[in-house]
Amino acid sequence: DAKTTQPPSMDCAEGRAANLPCNHSTISGNEYVYWYRQIHSQGPQYIIHGLKNNETNEMASLIITEDRKSSTLILPHATLRDTAVYYCIVRLPTNFGNEKLTFGTGTRLTIIP
Amino acid sequence: GAGVSQSPSNKVTEKGKDVELRCDPISGHTALYWYRQSLGQGLEFLIYFQGNSAPDKSGLPSDRFSAERTGGSVSTLTIQRTQQEDSAVYLCASSEMLDTQYFGPGTRLTVL
Repeated sequence: DAKTTQPPSMDCAEGRAANLPCNHSTISGNEYVYWYRQIHSQGPQYIIHGLKNNETNEMASLIITEDRKSSTLILPHATLRDTAVYYCIVRLPTNFGNEKLTFGTGTRLTIIP
Repeated sequence: GAGVSQSPSNKVTEKGKDVELRCDPISGHTALYWYRQSLGQGLEFLIYFQGNSAPDKSGLPSDRFSAERTGGSVSTLTIQRTQQEDSAVYLCASSEMLDTQYFGPGTRLTVL
């Protein structure tokens, strides 16, 4: 799987949009970008994933650059409950036998009241 | 709908005792995964099941660890003769056909 680089920490004011960047310059053509988060003392929570088109769901939006070397996770209206460590993962589709998830150090996002 | 559930949520045991951790995957999910996470560390992959079979057991840390899955649903992770270094949060995830993995809340194991 391609290596990802994320800032170690970020702050965001409550109610504002939180934009979390991720660099994955060595991504290959059929690797997906996945985002998970882990709130303190809870299991990881899936947020969103995409290949090359921008994606949106009820939790967040994922913007992937045209060259696919970086992406941004957007939480449109951050709340205190969004305080967590956010992990950006780049991986092959699982039908390639790639069943293991490997989290890096992630970005610790703190929402400020 | 119901997510992945794990039990117990917390387990404190004495060194040398055996423990059994349980995972109930999301209904209909064919794949099930076990990971562990030590304090402040990343995920360590242990094993995954496709149906009832475990194609890759190489992630299990030692022969004290074993896992089984019956009926394509519930899985148990058993740790025999627990050691203090086994203390961690044990996480279970499930997915449809090896797709997006959804995690349970974890079992926090403390070996005294």
